[in-house]
Amino acid sequence: QKEVEQNSGPLSVPEGAIASLNCTYSDRGSQSFFWYRQYSGKSPELIMFIYSNGDKEDGRFTAQLNKASQYVSLLIRDSQPSDSATYLCAVSGSSNTGKLIFGQGTTLQVKP
Amino acid sequence: EPEVTQTPSHQVTQMGQEVILRCVPISNHLYFYWYRQILGQKVEFLVSFYNNEISEKSEIFDDQFSVERPDGSNFTLKIRSTKLEDSAMYFCATGGRTNEKLFFGSGTQLSVL
Repeated sequence: QKEVEQNSGPLSVPEGAIASLNCTYSDRGSQSFFWYRQYSGKSPELIMFIYSNGDKEDGRFTAQLNKASQYVSLLIRDSQPSDSATYLCAVSGSSNTGKLIFGQGTTLQVKP
Repeated sequence: EPEVTQTPSHQVTQMGQEVILRCVPISNHLYFYWYRQILGQKVEFLVSFYNNEISEKSEIFDDQFSVERPDGSNFTLKIRSTKLEDSAMYFCATGGRTNEKLFFGSGTQLSVL
């Protein structure tokens, strides 16, 4: 069973702090890694994707990938109350159909 | 910004009834998917569809489920005989020239009574 694991949280950080969200995956054949943000009752919204080992930065967001450790993380700098949401880690399967396997999500609370 | 449109936003049905959930993908997208999320649980893959055929399906996607793209624009999910455990939010997702980045619709909340 191919799994994606996340700490469900909640992770609570003060406004302006760095939030660090982590994810591990079991399928070594996975090629692509995604972070989605999901507000309560809404659909997942793609915020970052990463394919290669290392860091990828986009604005206040940095995704980090370590394929050897099967670990992917998301850093959110200067966290804002509007960042409060559930962050879903998703991993593409090795089947090349675009199927995504999602983690259960980490709930982030940014306190003013 | 182009978006994936789903209808209806809410569907209430009786157990054993058939439901059809509809999705209008982003124009020029080639890859289509259905996912579902039971309240408080993970987003789960149901089926992927490319070039007018199913490319992969999960164990959840049994004979009660079917998908089609009847007119080249809409993408539909049919559940022939709904069960209580089919109650969930159903998301359509589409991908462009590569199937790497998926964009999700706003979802259909299905309630089976």
